[in-house]
Amino acid sequence: EPEVTQTPSHQVTQMGQEVILRCVPISNHLYFYWYRQILGQKVEFLVSFYNNEISEKSEIFDDQFSVERPDGSNFTLKIRSTKLEDSAMYFCASRGQPSSYEQYFGPGTRLTVT
Amino acid sequence: GNSVTQMEGPVTLSEEAFLTINCTYTATGYPSLFWYVQYPGEGLQLLLKATKADDKGSNKGFEATYRKETTSFHLEKGSVQVSDSAVYFCALSLRGGSNYKLTFGKGTLLTVNP
Repeated sequence: EPEVTQTPSHQVTQMGQEVILRCVPISNHLYFYWYRQILGQKVEFLVSFYNNEISEKSEIFDDQFSVERPDGSNFTLKIRSTKLEDSAMYFCASRGQPSSYEQYFGPGTRLTVT
Repeated sequence: GNSVTQMEGPVTLSEEAFLTINCTYTATGYPSLFWYVQYPGEGLQLLLKATKADDKGSNKGFEATYRKETTSFHLEKGSVQVSDSAVYFCALSLRGGSNYKLTFGKGTLLTVNP
């Protein structure tokens, strides 16, 4: 069964460093998402991506964040200069057809900023 | 804005016990409602959904009914198993447009003991 994969599973970085979180969505899906969950808090929407551009972003998704689909398979989230408060679990998701509700999630990347 | 409130956990039950996890929502429009489940070490999986009032979503013995009058979507299962141990997330998305971003509750950790 097709699945969304994410790498790495755990990333430790120092404050101020750049990180790139990688996702491989399901191959024929068209819509892509990033969510994050700070420990003990809600899963929060960060950004959605369709047709090679951002379709919506939350207030959390400021200039320090960017997303890219550099080739036909990868979908990346970059944080330019990490802060302590960026420590969280980051989930990638993809969705197939325009009328389909279901988002398929990856297992997440745990980002720890020290 | 849109929000989801679900029962605080953790919930610990014995095998074959009855499960209820409460979920209520506020939404600016007419939402679709979801329950997602996260098993240890895995991504979020869609458990069940309901797209209009009085719809009942069901899967793997779990059920939830979309109650517009009480803005609720409580998850129930008549007889839980050890394999149901996981974190359960209630979520909503709004119709209209093609984004379908999800708004999640905090999640409820369920542990089922043999």
